[in-house]
Amino acid sequence: QLQLQESGPGMVKPSETLSLTCSVSGDSIRNDLYYWAWIRQAPGKELEWIGSTFHTGTTNYNPSLKSRVSISMDTSKNQVSLRLSSVTAADTAVYYCARDRRKYYYLDYWGQGTLVTISS
Amino acid sequence: QSALTQTPSASGSPGQSVTISCTGTSNDIGDYNYVSWYQQHPGKAPKLMIYEVTKRPSGVPDRFSGSKSGNTASLTVSGLQAEDEADYYCTSYAGSNSLFVFGTGTKVTVL
Repeated sequence: QLQLQESGPGMVKPSETLSLTCSVSGDSIRNDLYYWAWIRQAPGKELEWIGSTFHTGTTNYNPSLKSRVSISMDTSKNQVSLRLSSVTAADTAVYYCARDRRKYYYLDYWGQGTLVTISS
Repeated sequence: QSALTQTPSASGSPGQSVTISCTGTSNDIGDYNYVSWYQQHPGKAPKLMIYEVTKRPSGVPDRFSGSKSGNTASLTVSGLQAEDEADYYCTSYAGSNSLFVFGTGTKVTVL
């Protein structure tokens, strides 16, 4: 059974860099069928796709976040990481990782999410 | 890329049907058959309910169905059950620069 688990600090100071890790079990992140995505949801707001990565190093980012975001993989640990720089209060959200079935553009498995609050 | 527009709320009694709409543009829903729908219960992760406009993943009841006409996609829940009360989000592929554009969300209430 595929499981995704997000982890990282629950609070980050404004202007600093948010860093999260998604640990994947039950599938290899080198599976050629899938990308691995990060999505966020600000309190009371809709979902927002942040970006996705493939094991070859190919990445796609939401244009609105592209200048501040970096997604990478550690295939030896079967983990996907997210870094978002220069954070502000507007980046306060629940951050989810998900499996991205790129050929058909859907997200079929999600982690439980982790709340990150931006506050001094 | 703007969010897709969904009706904020919808409701129905147990056993009835409810249809949720998701309106985009000719650059997303109107141009691609890559619409998916997600169910989200409070405090939980979203769950894939429909993909490629009409297809259901294994384990999703056939009470859930999807369709598309022009720039608008729809999700219909037939035979409403208490556990269907949740938020529902649509998403569509919107081109190489906007791979996933989500809808504004619809809260479904079972009366």
